[in-house]
Amino acid sequence: GESVGLHLPTLSVQEGDNSIINCAYSNSASDYFIWYKQESGKGPQFIIDIRSNMDKRQGQRVTVLLNKTVKHLSLQIAATQPGDSAVYFCATYSGAGSYQLTFGKGTKLSVIP
Amino acid sequence: GAGVSQTPSNKVTEKGKYVELRCDPISGHTALYWYRQSLGQGPEFLIYFQGTGAADDSGLPNDRFFAVRPEGSVSTLKIQRTERGDSAVYLCASSLGGTSYEQYFGPGTRLTVT
Repeated sequence: GESVGLHLPTLSVQEGDNSIINCAYSNSASDYFIWYKQESGKGPQFIIDIRSNMDKRQGQRVTVLLNKTVKHLSLQIAATQPGDSAVYFCATYSGAGSYQLTFGKGTKLSVIP
Repeated sequence: GAGVSQTPSNKVTEKGKYVELRCDPISGHTALYWYRQSLGQGPEFLIYFQGTGAADDSGLPNDRFFAVRPEGSVSTLKIQRTERGDSAVYLCASSLGGTSYEQYFGPGTRLTVT
């Protein structure tokens, strides 16, 4: 079955440093990947997505890298700020036409001022 | 514009009671989803509506759970004979539907069964 996992449950970074959050997935049919940010007491907030025909996508201060060979994706946050402190989830759809998002367990990012 | 809203934000109920959780999706979004999130876990899919019909309810854990969306907008998740294991945050999301994959989440309803 589909599973999405994260390598590290917690990550602490100094303000201004770059953050890298990793995620592994198991279903080679997964064709669309999303990173969500969830602050305490709030619902997941879309950050950035990437389709399987791409290996890199950049947003504002964030970059997602996808390595389909090893079924791995990462979220890079440049110049991490205190407001970036949250739990980050990767999520994926299992294939074309799928609408069930499968989430990983999450990585808690703490930014040290 | 207005995002997905959910009411109540918190619900405490006794074991065995019936509860209803409400979701107002983003206007114009035809697809609506319910997820359940336990402490320290990612959200888990419960049910998906396209319009008024439940296109996929395979994530509902048992027949105590039921959801409706009678007019294709607001949805209600209903839980009968609540159990302590039902305690979780229930999240609603909506999307444009069709080929749009981006789901927008509401703030969730925290359900506590005592």
